[in-house]
Amino acid sequence: DAGITQSPRYKITETGRQVTLMCHQTWSHSYMFWYRQDLGHGLRLIYYSAAADITDKGEVPDGYVVSRSKTENFPLTLESATRSQTSVYFCASSVQVQDEQFFGPGTRLTVL
Amino acid sequence: DAKTTQPTSMDCAEGRAANLPCNHSTISGNEYVYWYRQIHSQGPQYIIHGLKNNETNEMASLIITEDRKSSTLILPHATLRDTAVYYCIVRVTNSNYQLIWGAGTKLIIKP
Repeated sequence: DAGITQSPRYKITETGRQVTLMCHQTWSHSYMFWYRQDLGHGLRLIYYSAAADITDKGEVPDGYVVSRSKTENFPLTLESATRSQTSVYFCASSVQVQDEQFFGPGTRLTVL
Repeated sequence: DAKTTQPTSMDCAEGRAANLPCNHSTISGNEYVYWYRQIHSQGPQYIIHGLKNNETNEMASLIITEDRKSSTLILPHATLRDTAVYYCIVRVTNSNYQLIWGAGTKLIIKP
């Protein structure tokens, strides 16, 4: 499918487990972003990537790891999940950093 | 980065123009104003952005005051599908990632 997709859409895990959220875009956009959105709040940037093999921290990176070996994929890993990481996670992409961002449908993660 | 202030919620009748205000009194000369919206449970959707001049596209118009301390997003003929949370965001042109999201305005379009 064309566009930006995220998987899984829903995930329940336990404290201490490793979880990887997937993001895939078909536009070959240079920039990709990971945000989290807690109930009733706006989005907060976790990590972003300017190109393959180039990543950098956002506002709330602690407890998360990213990689980008291919332009189209930008996985987000929670190395040891905590209850405070229960949230909705959105992936986004853009051609350039100042351009409009296109968002995926989100992954709803619950950490028990 | 400048911060924004928006009303928590607003109502608008279907078919009328919806005017969503945003205050950004500490905005700097190189900071753009962006608007996104988020329909329930979906990913945010870009609407429009501007620096100094008023802007219009197929979705909306953006009116920025001359002193740039506030702006208004106008949806000219609101429909029920425009019910969403609308985010006003300022972004520095030379930053590498910043879109600082507030809580937004919940716009409810009523029949």
